[in-house]
Amino acid sequence: GENVEQHPSTLSVQEGDSAVIKCTYSDSASNYFPWYKQELGKRPQLIIDIRSNVGEKKDQRIAVTLNKTAKHFSLHITETQPEDSAVYFCAASGGSGDKLTFGTGTRLAVRP
Amino acid sequence: EAGVAQSPRYKIIEKRQSVAFWCNPISGHATLYWYQQILGQGPKLLIQFQNNGVVDDSQLPKDRFSAERLKGVDSTLKIQPAKLEDSAVYLCASSLPWNTEAFFGQGTRLTVV
Repeated sequence: GENVEQHPSTLSVQEGDSAVIKCTYSDSASNYFPWYKQELGKRPQLIIDIRSNVGEKKDQRIAVTLNKTAKHFSLHITETQPEDSAVYFCAASGGSGDKLTFGTGTRLAVRP
Repeated sequence: EAGVAQSPRYKIIEKRQSVAFWCNPISGHATLYWYQQILGQGPKLLIQFQNNGVVDDSQLPKDRFSAERLKGVDSTLKIQPAKLEDSAVYLCASSLPWNTEAFFGQGTRLTVV
């Protein structure tokens, strides 16, 4: 089945700096890659997603890139703000049975 | 639109007892997921339904966990008997089929003592 690895597990940046979180997946049939943000005690919420027919997608300060050949995708957050502090999860789906498989999460801390 | 509803929000039980969780997905969402999220970890898929059929339950501990989705709408997840290591947040999510955004409920925080 699909295996999604995510790095780093924790990330601390200064407010205004950029943050990058990287994920790799194992199933070459996966074709949908969402990113979720989870604040403490709350439900995961989608912040951006990308499909395999697109190499990059941007939404204001957030962008995601996808390299299908290498089977990895990354989340880029520019001009970070304290409210960006949360746990971020990557996920992959579209492979066997269209399972939605999550990575292990990255705890992002933005220092004011 | 109304979101994914889950109940109860919190549950404390003793080991070896049984417990059931309920989920009502967003209207029209054919795909329903149950995830287990242990503190500090990513959500782990327990079971995925497409309408009332099971798409994947490969990580469901079937000796103690069971789930059903009658009539392709609401779903229940049951644990019997519970173990200490079952302490986690159980998240239900739903989506339209074929790789679209999954919307999560608030989750049920289970503590097994």
